[in-house]
Amino acid sequence: SYVLTQPPSVSVAPGQTARIPCGGNNSGSKSVHWYQQKPGQAPALVVYDDNARPSGIPERFSGANSGNTATLTISRVEAGDEADYYCQVWDGSSEQRYVFGTGTKVTVL
Amino acid sequence: QITLKESGPTLVKPTQTLTLTCTFSGFSLSTTRVGVGWIRQPPGKALEWLAFIYWNDDKRYSPSLKSRLTITKDTSKSQVVLTVTNMDPVDTATYYCAHSVYSTSYYVGYWGQGIPVTVSS
Repeated sequence: SYVLTQPPSVSVAPGQTARIPCGGNNSGSKSVHWYQQKPGQAPALVVYDDNARPSGIPERFSGANSGNTATLTISRVEAGDEADYYCQVWDGSSEQRYVFGTGTKVTVL
Repeated sequence: QITLKESGPTLVKPTQTLTLTCTFSGFSLSTTRVGVGWIRQPPGKALEWLAFIYWNDDKRYSPSLKSRLTITKDTSKSQVVLTVTNMDPVDTATYYCAHSVYSTSYYVGYWGQGIPVTVSS
């Protein structure tokens, strides 16, 4: 089955850039979506289709996807960005339709 | 404005069947390329998709749980129901109802608040 691997944690100072990788076999051939989950809350979509932002999501959040790695980039990190982040792909050709990454905890120092 | 809300028991005993209802508003499940489904999250762990039902009544289940899951929809009531048989303590998790749409692939655009379910005798 398809697996998406993320580092357990990423630490970043306020104002700096956080990069969250999501590794998957030939992920560049799939569309990758990203969710932010703050403590005690439901996840929320922050990037879809590799690099599109839903309405209301700041331009500081951007995505890229090539080869075997997709990356969520958070520029000018703020304290409010501290959360867990999950990548996700959908594979219409297999039974494992929605695949979520292992999740990354972003800590703002 | 799209909203989804989960309802059902928050405590079930081992071997019992869990029935969860998702009541939604702001969209129709008869709209092309729209799905509603369930995703769960055990305490401190990652998200795990369980099942989705789509506008055309297509149903998809997680292969690892397929034998225990049933998902149905009532479009007129704007509800989706998930049943999980033979509950076990490892099924303790927050269960989220989710609205999924297709762009270049399916993603979850909206989530319910989640309902915590504990499996314990």
